[in-house]
Amino acid sequence: AQTVTQSQPEMSVQEAETVTLSCTYDTSESNYYLFWYKQPPSRQMILVIRQEAYKQQNATENRFSVNFQKAAKSFSLKISDSQLGDTAMYFCAFMKPYNNDMRFGAGTRLTVKP
Amino acid sequence: GAGVSQSPSNKVTEKGKDVELRCDPISGHTALYWYRQSLGQGLEFLIYFQGNSAPDKSGLPSDRFSAERTGGSVSTLTIQRTQQEDSAVYLCASSLVGTSANKRYEQYFGPGTRLTVT
Repeated sequence: AQTVTQSQPEMSVQEAETVTLSCTYDTSESNYYLFWYKQPPSRQMILVIRQEAYKQQNATENRFSVNFQKAAKSFSLKISDSQLGDTAMYFCAFMKPYNNDMRFGAGTRLTVKP
Repeated sequence: GAGVSQSPSNKVTEKGKDVELRCDPISGHTALYWYRQSLGQGLEFLIYFQGNSAPDKSGLPSDRFSAERTGGSVSTLTIQRTQQEDSAVYLCASSLVGTSANKRYEQYFGPGTRLTVT
């Protein structure tokens, strides 16, 4: 079974600083998909960024980027120039090929301080 | 276009009563998922529907939980004889379905239904 581990239950960062959230996963598959979702207090889950394992280049979306280390099975999220609106729970998720179910980590609660 | 919608947004019920939670997926999305999120916790997979295939019910915690999807669109999650430990936010998501290993699609989530069993 695939497992996703987020080892940081809570993190905080000063506004405008950079923060990195960790995620590791366990799989025997060679091709798969990884996602970071954000869940603000409004409860709405929002996709932040996705990475396809067969692509070596790290995905980026504006201030959000990932460090994908396939051999280490690590998928960290870097948030640059943190903003107050980035305060949320962040979930790392894994999806394997030929199957559409997605497995989530336990989440990291990020607080951006003014 | 419209996103995933869920109703009701909040539901308070007495222990022992049955509840029905509704999910309206994004039009054209053939995959539909239900998750449970207890307070401050991650997402627990409950059930997955894909087109006309038999649903994957492997995450349902007990036989008090059931779900159906009518006409390949709207889904209803039913919890019978609710217990206090059923209190949680129930999230629904939908997605397109890829037909090859190189095509997988992210899930789009609804706002959830907060269920409180008193």
